[in-house]
Amino acid sequence: KAGVTQTPRYLIKTRGQQVTLSCSPISGHRSVSWYQQTPGQGLQFLFEYFSETQRNKGNFPGRFSGRQFSNSRSEMNVSTLELGDSALYLCASSGGVLTPQQETQYFGPGTRLLVL
Amino acid sequence: KNEVEQSPQNLTAQEGEFITINCSYSVGISALHWLQQHPGGGIVSLFMLSSGKKKHGRLIATINIQEKHSSLHITASHPRDSAVYICAGENSGGGADGLTFGKGTHLIIQP
Repeated sequence: KAGVTQTPRYLIKTRGQQVTLSCSPISGHRSVSWYQQTPGQGLQFLFEYFSETQRNKGNFPGRFSGRQFSNSRSEMNVSTLELGDSALYLCASSGGVLTPQQETQYFGPGTRLLVL
Repeated sequence: KNEVEQSPQNLTAQEGEFITINCSYSVGISALHWLQQHPGGGIVSLFMLSSGKKKHGRLIATINIQEKHSSLHITASHPRDSAVYICAGENSGGGADGLTFGKGTHLIIQP
């Protein structure tokens, strides 16, 4: 079974731009969660999508948004990029029967975003 | 706000040594996940536990609910165990906020 894939793997943007990251979950998984990892804050939960609906949301500003398609693939969008948005963005998929924190999550390799 | 604290932050040991990484968490967290992150970023979920002890190969995870403490042990450590180990707490209030993560323990096993 193919693992979780994320594209692109690396991205360089400038302040004020917007960016869209993509995540394809493991086949059959219906839940996709997004996380931001920075050296200062560590891993932080962004949001989780299940059946095309945002089911849970972390404490991030509205510039961070996402969506999920009918095939469970998910995209994350960050608008008006700031220097502090430079981070590794990870997505993880799980079956979705329970909430992500109650199920084993399978992580993608991440997208490393650098904002200049 | 739920909190998860790990210790030590950094750990260097010799191949073959028994390794222990600790995680303490606040009220409001009902279960713990242990994750392993290798250089380059990939994360693997090692364990999910809400009570007792789990074992997988050379890895053992324990949790003490009363003391709000969990440990990850590695027996007969090997250089390939070198990675960042992260514990994450499951918030007992339901789905909101997802997991609360510790800062991670950077483990280096020298040959």
